[in-house]
Amino acid sequence: DVKVTQSSRYLVKRTGEKVFLECVQDMDHENMFWYRQDPGLGLRLIYFSYDVKMKEKGDIPEGYSVSREKKERFSLILESASTNQTSMYLCASSLSPWPYEQYFGPGTRLTVT
Amino acid sequence: AQTVTQSQPEMSVQEAETVTLSCTYDTSESDYYLFWYKQPPSRQMILVIRQEAYKQQNATENRFSVNFQKAAKSFSLKISDSQLGDAAMYFCAYRSADAGGTSYGKLTFGQGTILTVHP
Repeated sequence: DVKVTQSSRYLVKRTGEKVFLECVQDMDHENMFWYRQDPGLGLRLIYFSYDVKMKEKGDIPEGYSVSREKKERFSLILESASTNQTSMYLCASSLSPWPYEQYFGPGTRLTVT
Repeated sequence: AQTVTQSQPEMSVQEAETVTLSCTYDTSESDYYLFWYKQPPSRQMILVIRQEAYKQQNATENRFSVNFQKAAKSFSLKISDSQLGDAAMYFCAYRSADAGGTSYGKLTFGQGTILTVHP
């Protein structure tokens, strides 16, 4: 079975802190994605990566950056956390190019106070 | 850009009954894929069913089936013989076929529908 893991289920950070969210997949998938999930808005794509060291902006990249140094690991970075970044963050991975499904991690509930 | 709309924030159904969740989408593309994902309270999102736009036949997976109306850009999910374990948030999602392009399998999601199953 494909397994996508995220470093934390719950995280509480203070405004202005630098925050790292880690995602690891064990199925050698080329593509990895970071979404945020907010009530009434569904999932929105922040960034995605189609190869090591490659990244593309999604629909809401402002305030975020990403890093993919190894194929299995995709990190989301909040350079200076703000309260409006309080959300559920979901990581996903998929084979390339298609039509393979995306496999999701369990999510990280981030609260910025 | 594509958009996906789920107009039912919440739905409920009695155990063993049938329920239909609605989804509409907007696209100018002729080839694409549509998905229904389920997110149970444990939060791990899993794929329920997928439909290729070029296939006229509606996809079916056990108790789950879709009604795909390409001209109307509608993609509803029917759950038959509902079970307590079907209670979850359901998301409709769109993916461009984008042969050789730069979509890399990006998904566009709807807002989600919370399904409650009553015993």
